[in-house]
Amino acid sequence: DVKVTQSSRYLVKRTGEKVFLECVQDMDHENMFWYRQDPGLGLRLIYFSYDVKMKEKGDIPEGYSVSREKKERFSLILESASTNQTSMYLCASSFVQGVGNQPQHFGDGTRLSIL
Amino acid sequence: QQPVQSPQAVILREGEDAVINCSSSKALYSVHWYRQKHGEAPVFLMILLKGGEQKGHEKISASFNEKKQQSSLYLTASQLSYSGTYFCGTSHSGGGADGLTFGKGTHLIIQP
Repeated sequence: DVKVTQSSRYLVKRTGEKVFLECVQDMDHENMFWYRQDPGLGLRLIYFSYDVKMKEKGDIPEGYSVSREKKERFSLILESASTNQTSMYLCASSFVQGVGNQPQHFGDGTRLSIL
Repeated sequence: QQPVQSPQAVILREGEDAVINCSSSKALYSVHWYRQKHGEAPVFLMILLKGGEQKGHEKISASFNEKKQQSSLYLTASQLSYSGTYFCGTSHSGGGADGLTFGKGTHLIIQP
């Protein structure tokens, strides 16, 4: 079974802090993704990566950056956290052969609150 | 641009059927369907690729109308376990050039 593990289930940080969200997958997937989920807005893609050290902006990359130094690990970084970044963050991974035709496997999410 | 899902919410009695639609204004390469229960991760249901195929998964099936840029998810003889929020995710190319764009979701409540 594919396992996508997010380091924290709940996280509380202060405005202006630098925040790291970590995600690890154990299936040797090439593709990894970060989404945020807000009520009434669905899942929105922040960044994705199709290989180590490679990254692509999604639909809402502003205020975020990512790091992928190892194939199994994909980190989301909030450079200077703001209250409008309070949200549920979901990590996902999939095999290559195109993003469009392989299922994505999601982690349980990190509920981040910025005070 | 996010695909448009309809309806936003639906309440059914156990055993009734439901249809959830997902429409895009851009040409589609594939459509993914996921179900998410409250407090849990989204779970993959199926993928439909360009070519208008229909796929099935137990009593849940889906179709892809390439001309209309639309996919529909069919839930027949619904069970209590089908309750949750259903998301469609769309891709506009088969390569790694874009990620999935998800709709806002359809809340499905199945009552006994």
